[in-house]
Amino acid sequence: EVQLVESGGGLVQPGGSLRLSCAASGFIFSTFWMSWIRQAPGKGLEWVANIKVDGSDKHYVDSVKGRFSISRDNAQNSLNLHMNNLRAEDTAVYYCARLVDGNWFDPWGQGTLVTVSS
Amino acid sequence: SYDLTQSPSVSVSPGQTASITCSGDKLGDKYAFWYQQKPGQSPVLLIYRDTKRPSGIPERFSGSNSGNTATLTISGTQAMDEADYYCQTWDSSTRVVFGGGTKLTVL
Repeated sequence: EVQLVESGGGLVQPGGSLRLSCAASGFIFSTFWMSWIRQAPGKGLEWVANIKVDGSDKHYVDSVKGRFSISRDNAQNSLNLHMNNLRAEDTAVYYCARLVDGNWFDPWGQGTLVTVSS
Repeated sequence: SYDLTQSPSVSVSPGQTASITCSGDKLGDKYAFWYQQKPGQSPVLLIYRDTKRPSGIPERFSGSNSGNTATLTISGTQAMDEADYYCQTWDSSTRVVFGGGTKLTVL
């Protein structure tokens, strides 16, 4: 069974940092692009970042460029999101998702909540 | 930037057909994807590449995409279909866009 399990969320002060992780299992992790997608409380979905199979290519939504960094460890089947200089508007549930055929997201993890507040 | 527009809410009676639309400039020239999100749960892929249904998704869910509008159709809507529905496409080869979501109420 394909499974994605996120961890690392929590409460952080504005300007602080946090590292999210996603543990993948049930598929050959190193052959899929991977993504982070977030959802602010009561709001819609917002794509955050993608990373290529070998980590050599990364893409970000404009609002996080220069603050967030996506990375992966294919040996450990893990995906990470390093978040710096966090803002209140970064408060959201962050989902890890597998990018299939470079087009659609399937499956999604259960999400981890990041709250940025003083 | 590229935007996808969805109606905030749609209501349907049980057993009837629900249509949820997603509009974007020349969206028909791109692929559209649809996700279902029930309260407190993660999104689930419903439709990929405009019309294709993953295994395990009921046949009552179907998709189309032409011109500026992609449509998710739910035939014989059931109470369990009450959820938020999101469309998705690609603005460029590197930028993902989601619609704002449509809340489907079955009443």
